[in-house]
Amino acid sequence: AQSVTQPDIHITVSEGASLELRCNYSYGATPYLFWYVQSPGQGLQLLLKYFSGDTLVQGIKGFEAEFKRSQSSFNLRKPSVHWSDAAEYFCAVGAFSGSARQLTFGSGTQLTVLP
Amino acid sequence: NAGVTQTPKFRVLKTGQSMTLLCAQDMNHEYMYWYRQDPGMGLRLIHYSVGEGTTAKGEVPDGYNVSRLKKQNFLLGLESAAPSQTSVYFCASSYNGGQAKNIQYFGAGTRLSVL
Repeated sequence: AQSVTQPDIHITVSEGASLELRCNYSYGATPYLFWYVQSPGQGLQLLLKYFSGDTLVQGIKGFEAEFKRSQSSFNLRKPSVHWSDAAEYFCAVGAFSGSARQLTFGSGTQLTVLP
Repeated sequence: NAGVTQTPKFRVLKTGQSMTLLCAQDMNHEYMYWYRQDPGMGLRLIHYSVGEGTTAKGEVPDGYNVSRLKKQNFLLGLESAAPSQTSVYFCASSYNGGQAKNIQYFGAGTRLSVL
């Protein structure tokens, strides 16, 4: 079975600083990987996804993520954080076999942005 | 442009009461999902459906039932609510064609408390 680990429960950065959120996954085949963001009281919004091809993927709101197969990682980055980026971020791995469509989520990383 | 709509947004139940959560999507998606979100645990899949009239169990199905009588609706039922079912419930849907089937769109959630 697949699993996702987000080692950082809470990260605090200053506005304008760079950001990296870590994600490690376990999956036997080539994974489908996702980053979602959840603002307080809201549902999850897809930031970016990796299915195949270029290992550096660009998403919305200036985020990017790099798939590293050798490290089983899919870390999320942003060069300059804005106060509006404060939210909870979830990494997920997708297992798609036959008719089964299941996402396994990490436990999330809460991002606080200091002015 | 509603997307995925969940009703109600909040609910308080007493132990042993029953209720149904409604999820409606207007994107003509084949696949629909119910997740629960608990602190420190990310989202966990309860049940899912790959089409009208079909449902399947996810990771944590016990204590829940689902029905998909219409393509656009996916109902989650709690027959006898327990305090352990206090959680935030999210519905999601996805298309079934090509790689788009791998992208799930989420509703805003239902916050349920069982006393």
